[in-house]
Amino acid sequence: GENVEQHPSTLSVQEGDSAVIKCTYSDSASNYFPWYKQELGKGPQLIIDIRSNVGEKKDQRIAVTLNKTAKHFSLHITETQPEDSAVYFCAARDSWGKLQFGAGTQVVVTP
Amino acid sequence: DGGITQSPKYLFRKEGQNVTLSCEQNLNHDAMYWYRQDPGQGLRLIYYSQIVNDFQKGDIAEGYSVSREKKESFPLTVTSAQKNPTAFYLCASSRDRGSEQYFGPGTRLTVT
Repeated sequence: GENVEQHPSTLSVQEGDSAVIKCTYSDSASNYFPWYKQELGKGPQLIIDIRSNVGEKKDQRIAVTLNKTAKHFSLHITETQPEDSAVYFCAARDSWGKLQFGAGTQVVVTP
Repeated sequence: DGGITQSPKYLFRKEGQNVTLSCEQNLNHDAMYWYRQDPGQGLRLIYYSQIVNDFQKGDIAEGYSVSREKKESFPLTVTSAQKNPTAFYLCASSRDRGSEQYFGPGTRLTVT
C-alpha cells in the first residue's frame, strides 16, 4: 500500500522567513496530494492541494510543488507569521482512493 | 451554517464499556470517514462509507464498528475489544471518493 514520509518533524522559523516541508510517497498511482493545517485541539483544515497533472500551485503565501518522477511533493510557506504556527500534514490518495497521511510537522514561528 | 459536527468534544469512559461517537454533516456529501490520531502520528483510517448503507474497513478497523443509515450521519462505536481506545477521533466527509475531504472538530476519548 501507499506509504507517506514527511520531514522534518519539527521546524522552527523566524517570523518573515520561509518554511518548507517535504513529503515522499511510494505508490506511483497516487494522483492527489492535499496539505492540512491542524491547530491544537482542532480538526485538520485543508489549506492547499495538488493533482498529478500539475507541477505547482500557489495560493497567496503558500505553494505546493509536485515531482511525480521522484515521487515527492513539498509545501512552501513564505513570509511566515505567528498564526502559521501549527502542525502540518501531507497526504497522498492511493490507488484505492484512500488518503494516507504523513506523521506531521510541528511548525513554530517565533516573532 | 454548513459543516461537520462531532459530539461530544471530550468523552470519558471506563475500560470494558462500549462508547459511540457522533458525526453529522449537512454538506450533502456522499462519502464519510473516521480517523484516529495519536500523539506524534498521522491520521489513520478506521472506516469509511461512500454511500448510505455501505461502509468498508480502513487500516485499523479492529475493535470498532460503524453504521450509515442516513446520508448525514456516520456514528462510530468503540467497543471493549479495542485494546488502546484512548485517542483523538476525527470524522471527515467528501462530496464523493475523489473529492476533497473536510474534517470535523474531533472528539477526544479517554478510557481508564
